[in-house]
Amino acid sequence: GDSVTQMEGPVTLSEEAFLTINCTYTATGYPSLFWYVQYPGEGLQLLLKATKADDKGSNKGFEATYRKETTSFHLEKGSVQVSDSAVYFCALSNQGGKLIFGQGTELSVKP
Amino acid sequence: DTAVSQTPKYLVTQMGNDKSIKCEQNLGHDTMYWYKQDSKKFLKIMFSYNNKELIINETVPNRFSPKSPDKAHLNLHINSLELGDSAVYFCASSLGTSGGAGYFGPGTRLTVL
Repeated sequence: GDSVTQMEGPVTLSEEAFLTINCTYTATGYPSLFWYVQYPGEGLQLLLKATKADDKGSNKGFEATYRKETTSFHLEKGSVQVSDSAVYFCALSNQGGKLIFGQGTELSVKP
Repeated sequence: DTAVSQTPKYLVTQMGNDKSIKCEQNLGHDTMYWYKQDSKKFLKIMFSYNNKELIINETVPNRFSPKSPDKAHLNLHINSLELGDSAVYFCASSLGTSGGAGYFGPGTRLTVL
């Protein structure tokens, strides 16, 4: 079945460091890909998405490019802030709106 | 204005009890979902309704019964609660079924003692 694998956390960075969180997927067909963010004690927020190969999703300085050849959708940000500390989830949707999530990657940014 | 709201936010109850969680969205979406997040933060879909019709029913024990009285509401009733039901339950909604769930509620933390 379809699945999503993310890099293990926690990831700890200093403020203004470069962030990469790796995400790879296994799916039939052409899924849409998503990144969600969960701040402590809150629900999930859609961060960005891409619906077809080579699409780049971007929001709040975060970017991810849908790479069909490597089945990847890595999340990047050039300069992280303390306020970016959260858990990040990669997900895919193939049919019926059902989201299949990766295990989540906790990011901690230190001042 | 809250886009997707859930009540209650916290629910603590004894094993064997029956409880309900309510969800409402004011976004005009036609598709609503229930997701379960376990203690390791792993998220898994439970149910999905489109225009009040059940379209996704994952392998969830039949102690869990969703009900959608209208497109803006999706409730979750759980019978005979077990320790393993302890989790955070998230409601979500979307317009249509092709684009994943765009909006999640704040979650209901259920603790079964």
